Amino acid sequence: AQSVTQLGSHVSVSEGALVLLRCNYSSSVPPYLFWYVQYPNQGLQLLLKYTSAATLVKGINGFEAEFKKSETSFHLTKPSAHMSDAAEYFCAVSDGGSQGNLIFGKGTKLSVKP
Amino acid sequence: GAGVSQSPSNKVTEKGKDVELRCDPISGHTALYWYRQSLGQGLEFLIYFQGNSAPDKSGLPSDRFSAERTGGSVSTLTIQRTQQEDSAVYLCASSLVSGTGYYGYTFGSGTRLTVV
Repeated sequence: AQSVTQLGSHVSVSEGALVLLRCNYSSSVPPYLFWYVQYPNQGLQLLLKYTSAATLVKGINGFEAEFKKSETSFHLTKPSAHMSDAAEYFCAVSDGGSQGNLIFGKGTKLSVKP
Repeated sequence: GAGVSQSPSNKVTEKGKDVELRCDPISGHTALYWYRQSLGQGLEFLIYFQGNSAPDKSGLPSDRFSAERTGGSVSTLTIQRTQQEDSAVYLCASSLVSGTGYYGYTFGSGTRLTVV
């Protein structure tokens, strides 16, 4: 069965600092991996996805994530945090099978200090 | 429509009452999903519809929960005899292609349900 673990329910960084949100997954088959962002009182928005192509995936708003099979990780990074990045971030895994539903981590809330 | 639409955006109900939550997916999206988001618990899968196939109900927490999708489009999630632990944000998502998840999901803004 697939599962996702996000380390740290809350991460705080200063504006301009590196953002690193950690995600480890468990999957019995080659995974499809996703990062979503949720701003207050809104639904989830897709940031980026890994679907077995390039291991370094670039997404919207300057975010990127690297798939590391040996570490079963898919950490999300951004070189320089902006105030508008404050939100909750969810990592998710799909097995790509017929079931089709995504398994989400519990989320990491990112705070950005001025 | 242009996005996934959910209604109502907020619902306050008394314990024991039934509620219906509506999801209008993106036109042409064949797959539709319901998730529940509780504080500090992430997203919990509830049910998934794909075209005319029988829905995957494996995530429904109890028989008080049910959902239907009429005409392959609009879906209604019904919670009977609501309990306080049902209080959460209920999110609906749709996608163009199911199975691979390649296209990702488009989420609605959710319905915040409060049971008092």
